[in-house]
Amino acid sequence: DIQLTQSPSFLSASVGDRVTITCRASQGTSSYLAWYQLKPGKAPNLLIYATSTLQSGVPSRFSGSGSGTEFTLTISTLQPEDFATYYCQQVNSYPYTFGQGTKLEIK
Amino acid sequence: EVQLVQSGAEVKKPGESLKISCQGSGYTFSAYWLGWVRQTPGKGLEWMGIIYPGDSDTRYSPSFQGQVTISADKSISTAYLQWSSLKASDTAIYYCARRHGSSWSYDYWGQGTLVTVSS
Repeated sequence: DIQLTQSPSFLSASVGDRVTITCRASQGTSSYLAWYQLKPGKAPNLLIYATSTLQSGVPSRFSGSGSGTEFTLTISTLQPEDFATYYCQQVNSYPYTFGQGTKLEIK
Repeated sequence: EVQLVQSGAEVKKPGESLKISCQGSGYTFSAYWLGWVRQTPGKGLEWMGIIYPGDSDTRYSPSFQGQVTISADKSISTAYLQWSSLKASDTAIYYCARRHGSSWSYDYWGQGTLVTVSS
């Protein structure tokens, strides 16, 4: 199985900040890496797929990059609605796995 | 509009059986893989398995193989997740989600089904 490790697990930031979350894979995932946002009481929301492609309707302040075993999600200018938990997921090989999550909190 | 509508919350006792459902609409249900994901406070999101409703080809995570059964009935555009004997540790929110055709990420999600297992 491909293990995904996100860092940091918790992140405290302010509105307007630029934040980056890293996802490291135990083996290569090609470009099959996605990012999701999870808010309490709501289903996960796909933000980025194929490492860097923005899902339709997602604000352009979200971006993804990376290759091989290291990937990043960047939020360029934090908005109040961005405080949530973020997960990466590899969909390169079964079993598809998620990272442990990064909880983004308001400072 | 693509929609995945899941069955309602369940409260069960340990040892009981359960089958929850996920009905798709707004797309060709049989042509897209559909997965199940567990959410718990302690472990976050966990990938359980996936099914192709067109031919019922199913893949499981080793963590869930033998613990649950995933099935689908394409005639009514519905997928299922079932347990034969629930444990307290099965208490969680369960989501179904459609796999995007080319990127293989999950682009549409059900609203989630809360399953509570308690004596």
